Amino acid sequence: DAGVTQSPTHLIKTRGQHVTLRCSPISGHKSVSWYQQVLGQGPQFIFQYYEKEERGRGNFPDRFSARQFPNYSSELNVNALLLGDSALYLCASSSGENQPQHFGDGTRLSIL
Amino acid sequence: QKEVEQDPGPLSVPEGAIVSLNCTYSNSAFQYFMWYRQYSRKGPELLMYTYSSGNKEDGRFTAQVDKSSKYISLFIRDSQPSDSATYLCAMSSNILTGGGNKLTFGTGTQLKVEL
Repeated sequence: DAGVTQSPTHLIKTRGQHVTLRCSPISGHKSVSWYQQVLGQGPQFIFQYYEKEERGRGNFPDRFSARQFPNYSSELNVNALLLGDSALYLCASSSGENQPQHFGDGTRLSIL
Repeated sequence: QKEVEQDPGPLSVPEGAIVSLNCTYSNSAFQYFMWYRQYSRKGPELLMYTYSSGNKEDGRFTAQVDKSSKYISLFIRDSQPSDSATYLCAMSSNILTGGGNKLTFGTGTQLKVEL
């Protein structure tokens, strides 16, 4: 079975631009979470969706938004990109709340 | 003070050694405890998932949770060069207490197992 898949794998943007990152969860998983990992740090929680409803939001500005589609895939959108948004963006899926989360290999976003 | 503290290392050990990795935490609401392994340019891979206090063993890996001390450990027996990676501890509270399922991570410990 396929694991969590994320696209694109790498992305280069300039300050002020907008970016959309995509995630397909493991088949049968209804919960998707997004994390930001800066080099040398552990992942930081951004959003969680379960059954297409937002279930949690981390301490990130309103420039960050997300949604989950009827097929349980998800998008993370970031507007007005800043240099500090350069990071590895990770998507994780789980079969339900309080179940283990499994991660994709992430999208590496670089802001010039 | 961070909710989860983890020594970043790096930790270097000879092949075959027993490795001990540790995290401490401050949030008493944490009930689920995980260890992930992350290779360079890859996403975190779930190694161990435990609920509440106690020990759990899976092959060469043993996870220990001591909630009274707010301390968790991962032991790796007979370490191999392929175990060289960054090890992340992660924790979450029960959704019924309103914490949701968000994971709170340590900074990760970089491990190198040398031949």
